[in-house]
Amino acid sequence: QKEVEQDPGPLSVPEGAIVSLNCTYSNSAFQYFMWYRQYSRKGPELLMYTYSSGNKEDGRFTAQVDKSSKYISLFIRDSQPSDSATYLCAMSGRSGGSNYKLTFGKGTLLTVNP
Amino acid sequence: DGGITQSPKYLFRKEGQNVTLSCEQNLNHDAMYWYRQDPGQGLRLIYYSQIVNDFQKGDIAEGYSVSREKKESFPLTVTSAQKNPTAFYLCASSFGPSSGNTIYFGEGSWLTVV
Repeated sequence: QKEVEQDPGPLSVPEGAIVSLNCTYSNSAFQYFMWYRQYSRKGPELLMYTYSSGNKEDGRFTAQVDKSSKYISLFIRDSQPSDSATYLCAMSGRSGGSNYKLTFGKGTLLTVNP
Repeated sequence: DGGITQSPKYLFRKEGQNVTLSCEQNLNHDAMYWYRQDPGQGLRLIYYSQIVNDFQKGDIAEGYSVSREKKESFPLTVTSAQKNPTAFYLCASSFGPSSGNTIYFGEGSWLTVV
């Protein structure tokens, strides 16, 4: 079993739809969870950062972490064509341990159609 | 503007040649990283450095070398020993352990072997 699993898509939705992106993981030591957005031929940019379980909201974006199920989600409300990108989940454990380095999902390609 | 600068953006290399990719950051970050991104493979860690004059191998270090003589700079050399060097290379940096290992990426360098 891979440490982080992410459905590669592609995912295609109409403008204004609610988008749900997900990752599952197997390492219970992960405590820090991130979502990155990567436009074509660009470097990834940090979108959301969450520590431990719970929800975090930032504008149209909501990140959820369920450590009991080892499942994280990113929701995009009122999706826009400018949201079309690849979304990468990433996670790491506590500093000083072997799980400290970030582990990335392979990314989900999202297209929002006008 | 604060950020991570990678150069060159595009680079062509003949087989048997070594090439060096530059990465400079002015974010005062302690840690720096090099990743390789291939289609369908996600991000793979090549080398990372948590402090000046020290660096560690990542998951795919063979055929690559790095140096960390200054806090701001972390150049990557792709040697002729790297069997399949054509890829998108990403440099990243972070404050280190206290930040939960949240990393920030540069815009990337495209290397093509001709």
